[in-house]
Amino acid sequence: DIQMTQSPSTLSASVGDRVIITCRASQSISGWLAWYQQKPGQAPNLLIYRASNLESGVPSRFSGSGSGTEFTLTISSLQPDDFATYYCQQYNSDWLTFGGGTKVEMK
Amino acid sequence: QVQLQESGPGLVKPSETLSLTCAVSGVSISSYYWSWIRQPPGKRMEWIGYIYYTENTNYNPSLKSRVTISVDTSKNHFSLRLSSVTAADTAVYYCARSRSTVFDSWGQGTLVTVSS
Repeated sequence: DIQMTQSPSTLSASVGDRVIITCRASQSISGWLAWYQQKPGQAPNLLIYRASNLESGVPSRFSGSGSGTEFTLTISSLQPDDFATYYCQQYNSDWLTFGGGTKVEMK
Repeated sequence: QVQLQESGPGLVKPSETLSLTCAVSGVSISSYYWSWIRQPPGKRMEWIGYIYYTENTNYNPSLKSRVTISVDTSKNHFSLRLSSVTAADTAVYYCARSRSTVFDSWGQGTLVTVSS
C-alpha cells in the first residue's frame, strides 16, 4: 500500500494566518490526491481533488498544489470556521489510503 | 442533493459479523461507485471497499478476506458485511459516494463497538 504522511500533526494558528499543510506519499501518485476537512462529530468534507482542483462550493481561500510525492494544502487567510482536522487521500492505486491528519487549532 | 444514511447494530460481539446498510436518497444508486470507510478512535481513516451497481467491487487487501459489499438497486441502498470481528474493528463506519475514487458525499457515520 502507499503510505501517506502528513505534517505537522497539529498546527496552532490565528484567524487571518496563512496555513500550509504538507502531505507526502511513499511513492509517486502523480496528481491523484484529495484533501478533506473534518470537524468533530461530523463526516469529512471534500475540499480539493486531483491535487489542485477546488470542489464546488468550497471557499477560494483553500488551494492545493503538488505532484509526484509531495503535496500541500494552503489556507490563504484562516477563518473561524476553518479550525478542524485535514486529511489527504491518495487514489493512484486500487488500495486507497489516507494520511494521519493535521489538526488546525486556535493559537 | 444526495444524502446517505448508515444503519445497523451499534454493538457486535467478537467473532460475529458486522452488518451495516447505507440508504441513498436524492440520486440513483445506479450511478457512481459507493464506498465504505471507517475511522477507529484516534486513528486515521481506512478505506474498506467500494461497489458499482453492476456489483463490480474492489476491497482493501488487508480486509478482503472478511469483507463483502453488496448493492440493492431496487431499494437504492448498499451494504457492508465484515466477518470475524475483533476489538480492532471498533470504529465509526461511514458510507460515501465515490467519484473517481474521491469521496464527495458522506453519511453522518455510525459507531460500531465490538465487545462481549
